[in-house]
Amino acid sequence: DAGITQSPRHKVTETGTPVTLRCHQTENHRYMYWYRQDPGHGLRLIHYSYGVKDTDKGEVSDGYSVSRSKTEDFLLTLESATSSQTSVYFCATTTGDSNQPQHFGDGTRLSIL
Amino acid sequence: GEDVEQSLFLSVREGDSSVINCTYTDSSSTYLYWYKQEPGAGLQLLTYIFSNMDMKQDQRLTVLLNKKDKHLSLRIADTQTGDSAIYFCAVEVGDTGGFKTIFGAGTRLFVKA
Repeated sequence: DAGITQSPRHKVTETGTPVTLRCHQTENHRYMYWYRQDPGHGLRLIHYSYGVKDTDKGEVSDGYSVSRSKTEDFLLTLESATSSQTSVYFCATTTGDSNQPQHFGDGTRLSIL
Repeated sequence: GEDVEQSLFLSVREGDSSVINCTYTDSSSTYLYWYKQEPGAGLQLLTYIFSNMDMKQDQRLTVLLNKKDKHLSLRIADTQTGDSAIYFCAVEVGDTGGFKTIFGAGTRLFVKA
């Protein structure tokens, strides 16, 4: 949707390793978001960006960092992955204007063993 | 802070109507959305309603908004097995300084044949 590609789609790694997830969009949307989805919690916002090099924390930002060096790319990094970060991660984008719903990627399933 | 609540599960028989309910806390909400998530995919916008409307109908979908009670519902007529999915209620809040979307935890709809 809205030309959003997440990579990788699946990843299994070990506790303590660094992990980077990538979100690429072709719609030139200003805002980009990273969410995690866990049973019983729905979507929880990790970090978001409102422009190149402009980012802010969401409600569950501990243990995560982000970078946005280009409009089209938004990277999520787990510096030292923990088992509690096992989840499905979604990227979303929007223009940031009113009544512009967020468009979502297909998600990355991350397992930390 | 803003909060959006939904029941987690709903089970209906094929051919019956489904009604998914949502309550929210922010009375300044402008647009209210329903998203659908199918297995292994991201969220897709299903429909939306502007806060000055009471009802919106789109084919088998009817959205009802009770602003006084801060209650939003999604009715799916003649529910089919293909409607089995997770349905997210989402509320847009903010002003010209910036908008954000608050998501509920999602309602998993099971359709029994």
